[in-house]
Amino acid sequence: GQNIDQPTEMTATEGAIVQINCTYQTSGFNGLFWYQQHAGEAPTFLSYNVLDGLEEKGRFSSFLSRSKGYSYLLLKELQMKDSASYLCAVRGFQKLVFGTGTRLLVSP
Amino acid sequence: GAGVSQSPSNKVTEKGKDVELRCDPISGHTALYWYRQSLGQGLEFLIYFQGNSAPDKSGLPSDRFSAERTGGSVSTLTIQRTQQEDSAVYLCASSLGSDYGSEQYFGPGTRLTVT
Repeated sequence: GQNIDQPTEMTATEGAIVQINCTYQTSGFNGLFWYQQHAGEAPTFLSYNVLDGLEEKGRFSSFLSRSKGYSYLLLKELQMKDSASYLCAVRGFQKLVFGTGTRLLVSP
Repeated sequence: GAGVSQSPSNKVTEKGKDVELRCDPISGHTALYWYRQSLGQGLEFLIYFQGNSAPDKSGLPSDRFSAERTGGSVSTLTIQRTQQEDSAVYLCASSLGSDYGSEQYFGPGTRLTVT
């Protein structure tokens, strides 16, 4: 079976750092994706990890530990526009299985 | 170039009617995916196409749901005898290939409301 867990909601203040965790249990693993989804809009790609370690891309970084079935998305220097849902998704043999998403609210 | 497009953007239909949702992927993308997202829920995989064939239909919730893809491009998702629980946003995504790291590009979705 497939199970992906992430917190339902998080809050943070502008300029701060926030870490969104994702744990997964899947029958196959061929990479983990993070997507950002603003309310009423389609998801957009943020990052892809297939090997253990940290991938950095500007203000966003993503970490993967395959042995622990764990990933996190780190957002630095938070801006108001970062208020959105963040979806963790694990690639099995073909399809992408999504978690229910973490709704991040950034306040001034 | 153009992104993934979907039509209609909104569809309201009466229970029991059939609906067709259309997806135009990015030109040259061989892989196409259909998902649905109910209010406050995550994305639920429905079906995946590689070219015109569908190697994975495991997410289709019932035999009322079907999809096809022609010419390796446009895809239609058909829902027969719609039920209220079919109300959701239906998202289509395409990727350059089906290899594991291929990023999926999503369309804006079709919001289906069954009354």
